[in-house]
Amino acid sequence: DAGVIQSPRHEVTEMGQEVTLRCKPISGHNSLFWYRQTMMRGLELLIYFNNNVPIDDSGMPEDRFSAKMPNASFSTLKIQPSEPRDSAVYFCASTQRTQGNNQPQHFGDGTRLSIL
Amino acid sequence: KQEVTQIPAALSVPEGENLVLNCSFTDSAIYNLQWFRQDPGKGLTSLLLIQSSQREQTSGRLNASLDKSSGRSTLYIAASQPGDSATYLCAPRGSSYKLIFGSGTRLLVRP
Repeated sequence: DAGVIQSPRHEVTEMGQEVTLRCKPISGHNSLFWYRQTMMRGLELLIYFNNNVPIDDSGMPEDRFSAKMPNASFSTLKIQPSEPRDSAVYFCASTQRTQGNNQPQHFGDGTRLSIL
Repeated sequence: KQEVTQIPAALSVPEGENLVLNCSFTDSAIYNLQWFRQDPGKGLTSLLLIQSSQREQTSGRLNASLDKSSGRSTLYIAASQPGDSATYLCAPRGSSYKLIFGSGTRLLVRP
C-alpha cells in the first residue's frame, strides 16, 4: 500500500518567493494533518482537515501560510511570501477518523524547506 | 495545554540490552497515545498506538504501557539491535485529534 506521499522532498528558494508543498494522503483516509518540525520547537501541528474541511488552523503561524484540500486525495500548503524563519521540515499525515474508532496517524517523508 | 516530556533525551547502549523510554504528559484526558520512531532525514514511522482504555500494547520486541491517570507511558525495547537506533517520539491525542509531541529520545545502539 502506498503511504502518504509528499512533494517535493527538498525545496530551496529565496526569501520572498512563493512556496507550495503538496501531499497525497493514504487512500480511504478522511483526515489530513500538516506539521512543521524545527530544532527549536519540535513537531507542531499547523492545520488539520476532516472530509476536506479545515477543522483547526490555530497552529498556522500567520497569514503568509495557507492550506487547501480541494479533494480527498490532495492537499497543498502554501507560503507567500516566504521568509528564512520558515525553514523547517514540513510533514503531512493522514488517518481514518470514525466515531469512537481511534486509528494511528501515518506520516509522509516530509519536505525539507530552506529559505535563503 | 498539554505538555509532553520524554526522558532521557539521549541514550547510548550496547547491543542486546533491554531499554525503557519514558514519556509523561500533563493532561490525562487523552483518547490514545502513539509512539513513533524517526530516522535521520526521514519521516515518522508509527510503532504502537495504545488506546486510553488499554494498559499495554505489544508489537514484536516493542511493548508500550499507559498509565493515563498518572500521565505516563513507557516504551520497552527488548534485546536492542543497532537497527533500533533512531529518535523515539511519543504523542498523546486529545479530543481535538491533535497529536502533541514530546521532544524525543535519541537512541544509539552500539554493535
